[in-house]
Amino acid sequence: NAGVTQTPKFQVLKTGQSMTLQCAQDMNHNSMYWYRQDPGMGLRLIYYSASEGTTDKGEVPNGYNVSRLNKREFSLRLESAAPSQTSVYFCASSPFYKRGGFQETQYFGPGTRLLVL
Amino acid sequence: QKEVEQNSGPLSVPEGAIASLNCTYSDRVSQSFFWYRQYSGKSPELIMSIYSNGDKEDGRFTAQLNKASQYVSLLIRDSQPSDSATYLCAVTGTYKYIFGTGTRLKVLA
Repeated sequence: NAGVTQTPKFQVLKTGQSMTLQCAQDMNHNSMYWYRQDPGMGLRLIYYSASEGTTDKGEVPNGYNVSRLNKREFSLRLESAAPSQTSVYFCASSPFYKRGGFQETQYFGPGTRLLVL
Repeated sequence: QKEVEQNSGPLSVPEGAIASLNCTYSDRVSQSFFWYRQYSGKSPELIMSIYSNGDKEDGRFTAQLNKASQYVSLLIRDSQPSDSATYLCAVTGTYKYIFGTGTRLKVLA
């Protein structure tokens, strides 16, 4: 049981290049999330998928797109990378997400360190 | 006002002492509260979750929730050097998880 896995672990891009960050979970969770973590800013939600087939914007969605490929996989795409997107990206999953009410714990992947030059 | 506020620290405590970490939040409808530990260069890992007012204990860790005052705290008893990390408070609002910026804890041997 690997939990949440992310690839790649580290990536260097030039401004304007594109790339896709991959995330997969084997816990049969319904909900998945993408965060970025910057010094002094904490974890900020980029996009989330409450269930297979749905995606919604989080706090900082500009410059990103996502795809919920199936229940296990949730990818994050940078179409034209900018230096401001240099960050550590974390994928997380939780059993389910529902508007309002009590929420379950999120489980995090190991992260992808992205440097945009 | 930030939605979830934590003192960034560092909070330094001697080995064996009690470390007290605090978090305040602004959304009164928040119902779920979490403490995560994050070692440098690693991902956050869950320490405690708490959903109702009062104390919740798990080993050396105690989470305390006071919804009327809108704060949640984490006590670490018998602090060890291995507890040195950044502790993130997370609160669920109307439809999302909101994280504080974290408090860096240093346990001095």
